[in-house]
Amino acid sequence: GNSVTQMEGPVTLSEEAFLTINCTYTATGYPSLFWYVQYPGEGLQLLLKATKADDKGSNKGFEATYRKETTSFHLEKGSVQVSDSAVYFCALSGSGGSNYKLTFGKGTLLTVNP
Amino acid sequence: EAGVAQSPRYKIIEKRQSVAFWCNPISGHATLYWYQQILGQGPKLLIQFQNNGVVDDSQLPKDRFSAERLKGVDSTLKIQPAKLEDSAVYLCASSLVNDRGGEQYFGPGTRLTVT
Repeated sequence: GNSVTQMEGPVTLSEEAFLTINCTYTATGYPSLFWYVQYPGEGLQLLLKATKADDKGSNKGFEATYRKETTSFHLEKGSVQVSDSAVYFCALSGSGGSNYKLTFGKGTLLTVNP
Repeated sequence: EAGVAQSPRYKIIEKRQSVAFWCNPISGHATLYWYQQILGQGPKLLIQFQNNGVVDDSQLPKDRFSAERLKGVDSTLKIQPAKLEDSAVYLCASSLVNDRGGEQYFGPGTRLTVT
């Protein structure tokens, strides 16, 4: 079945540091890949996505590239801010049939200190 | 545009009691999902509806969990009887279309504590 493995947290960085959160997946066919973010006290929201190999998703300074050869979708940001403190989830959407449910990783807690 | 609404936000019950959660998806969204998020884990799909019909309930513990979506809009998720291991956040999400790239919009969740 489908599965997502992401970097264990928590991750603590200083403001303006470079961020990488690793994500690898196992899936049949050609899944879509997503990063969702959960800010304190809020619901999950989509941060970025990529629907085919070599696509790059980007939003709010975050980027991730769909690498089929390494089955990876690592999240990066060049300079984090305190407001980026949140839990980040990597997810994939099923690659066939009538069900495009999301399969999530366990989440990575990011704390950014001033 | 209003987001996905859920109620209640918090619920504390004793084991063997019953509980129900309510979800109102974004207007016009045909697909509705219920996820269970246990502390320290990612959300896990319990059930997916397409309009009134169930698309996937393979991970729903049907001996105690039930869900319905009447008229293809609001949905309720019920647990009866509850167990300690049901303590989790229950998330409702909806999407406009059911496709591989479709964005799912999540509600704030209901935090259930079973004592």
